[in-house]
Amino acid sequence: QKEVEQNSGPLSVPEGAIASLNCTYSDRGSQSFFWYRQYSGKSPELIMSIYSNGDKEDGRFTAQLNKASQYVSLLIRDSQPSDSATYLCAVRSVGGSNYKLTFGKGTLLTVNP
Amino acid sequence: NAGVTQTPKFQVLKTGQSMTLQCAQDMNHNSMYWYRQDPGMGLRLIYYSASEGTTDKGEVPNGYNVSRLNKREFSLRLESAAPSQTSVYFCASSELEGADTQYFGPGTRLTVL
Repeated sequence: QKEVEQNSGPLSVPEGAIASLNCTYSDRGSQSFFWYRQYSGKSPELIMSIYSNGDKEDGRFTAQLNKASQYVSLLIRDSQPSDSATYLCAVRSVGGSNYKLTFGKGTLLTVNP
Repeated sequence: NAGVTQTPKFQVLKTGQSMTLQCAQDMNHNSMYWYRQDPGMGLRLIYYSASEGTTDKGEVPNGYNVSRLNKREFSLRLESAAPSQTSVYFCASSELEGADTQYFGPGTRLTVL
């Protein structure tokens, strides 16, 4: 059973702070890693993807991947109240010829003005 | 472009009733997916269709059937609804199986009494 674990939260940070969201995964064969954002009552939307070890930056968002430690994280700099949402970590692995996304349970982030 | 659309948005069923959840996408995507999302459980894959004419089981297929009607449409059927199927159901699509981005529909909130 492939598992994706996220820090349970909720995570509360003040506006302007750095929010750090963490995720570990069990399948060493995992190839691709994603962060989805889900506002309350809405559907998930992709905000970051990362495939190789190291950091990937996109605006205020930085994804970090360490395959040896089976760990992926998302940093949100200068957090804004509009960043308040549940963040879902997703991991893609290959089973035979099939690609599957496995999602973590999500971490609820609240950014306080 | 509407993206991914789902009907209905809300539904209440009695135990044993049947219903079909409809999903359509107008992005000419090949792959489509059905997920359920339960509190504390994250998103779990029910069934997916890598391309028109194919369907495969996901993580939690029991109690469900699917039909890939054509390239645009992918329906999910509950033959005999059970309270354990109370959930929010999301349909998603991607250009290809294993493609980076899955685009999610707005969801169907189903309650089984």
